Amino acid sequence: DAGVTQSPTHLIKTRGQQVTLRCSPKSGHDTVSWYQQALGQGPQFIFQYYEEEERQRGNFPDRFSGHQFPNYSSELNVNALLLGDSALYLCASGDGMNTEAFFGQGTRLTVV
Amino acid sequence: DQQVKQNSPSLSVQEGRISILNCDYTNSMFDYFLWYKKYPAEGPTFLISISSIKDKNEDGRFTVFLNKSAKHLSLHIVPSQPGDSAVYFCAASDGGSQGNLIFGKGTKLSVKP
Repeated sequence: DAGVTQSPTHLIKTRGQQVTLRCSPKSGHDTVSWYQQALGQGPQFIFQYYEEEERQRGNFPDRFSGHQFPNYSSELNVNALLLGDSALYLCASGDGMNTEAFFGQGTRLTVV
Repeated sequence: DQQVKQNSPSLSVQEGRISILNCDYTNSMFDYFLWYKKYPAEGPTFLISISSIKDKNEDGRFTVFLNKSAKHLSLHIVPSQPGDSAVYFCAASDGGSQGNLIFGKGTKLSVKP
């Protein structure tokens, strides 16, 4: 059983560009959350998707947007990239039934 | 304002001894607490959790203690093994295990043979 998979694993972008990160949840999971982990910090909640709708959102600007597809996979889009967006982006999935969230290995985004 | 605090950035323990990792929180609405372990170049791995209605949860070598009045929880690892060396994150939620998780900054545990 594949766990949470994210792609790509590494990415380098230039300031002002746009980026799309992808996540496939663990089999049987229908809820996907995205987190940003800056160097030396804990993961910070960006938003959560359930039934193709954004259910919760953390304190991130509108440049961060997302989408969930009917097969429960999800994308995170970041527009107008800033140097400060350089971080590890983590996707977590859950089944909405009080089991713990499972994380993918993350996408390391570097903005230059 | 940090709602979940791990005040020790690092901890070094001898193999076979007990490791105690601490976590404090400020939000009394948190009702679920989790510990995750993270190795370099991997995503966080769930370790153990506890609901606010309990004060202790045990799973093998890992035990989490919750003191609601002090807004403090701790993770005990007994006995510690070199493979336990990793960064440990404490996380809290006010929406159960599926809610938005608020993480601490992590504690790097080194278990020396």
